[in-house]
Amino acid sequence: GDSVTQMEGPVTLSEEAFLTINCTYTATGYPSLFWYVQYPGEGLQLLLKATKADDKGSNKGFEATYRKETTSFHLEKGSVQVSDSAVYFCALSLKLFQGGSEKLVFGKGTKLTVNP
Amino acid sequence: DSGVTQTPKHLITATGQRVTLRCSPRSGDLSVYWYQQSLDQGLQFLIQYYNGEERAKGNILERFSAQQFPDLHSELNLSSLELGDSALYFCASSPTDRLANYGYTFGSGTRLTVV
Repeated sequence: GDSVTQMEGPVTLSEEAFLTINCTYTATGYPSLFWYVQYPGEGLQLLLKATKADDKGSNKGFEATYRKETTSFHLEKGSVQVSDSAVYFCALSLKLFQGGSEKLVFGKGTKLTVNP
Repeated sequence: DSGVTQTPKHLITATGQRVTLRCSPRSGDLSVYWYQQSLDQGLQFLIQYYNGEERAKGNILERFSAQQFPDLHSELNLSSLELGDSALYFCASSPTDRLANYGYTFGSGTRLTVV
């Protein structure tokens, strides 16, 4: 079935380091892809999205490119800050039935800790 | 504040009991989704409602049920609770049931502890 695989964490970086969190997916058809972020004690927030191949989503210095050929949607940021410490979830949209509703299927999440 | 309101934030109850979790979607959103988040299973889709009608079920146990009311708020009922039901329960909403343009907006969750 359709699924998302994320790199296992936790990931610990120093401030201003480069971040990559890998995400690959398995899907029939062409899903939309999302990254969500969950700060401690809060719900998930949409970070960025891409709806078709070669689209690049970007927000708050984070970027991810929808790569159909490698079925990937890796999250990157050039210079992380302490405030980026959170859990990051990759997700894809999955049709629940033909022509009908969609739901999001999430990866297991990657915990990022950024030290000063 | 995401605009999706979940109550209560925390709930502690005994095994065998029944609880009700409440969700008010963001204004204008017609779709409500319920997810269970646990350390071992991650985020598991439970059920979806759209404009008052059940649209899809995921990994929802028979002991669990939900409904969406005419004012679009939703309730998730958990009965005959077991220790393994302890988890974070999230509600998410979306303007439609097609996610490409919107994704979800999540509430801050209800943490259920069964003792």
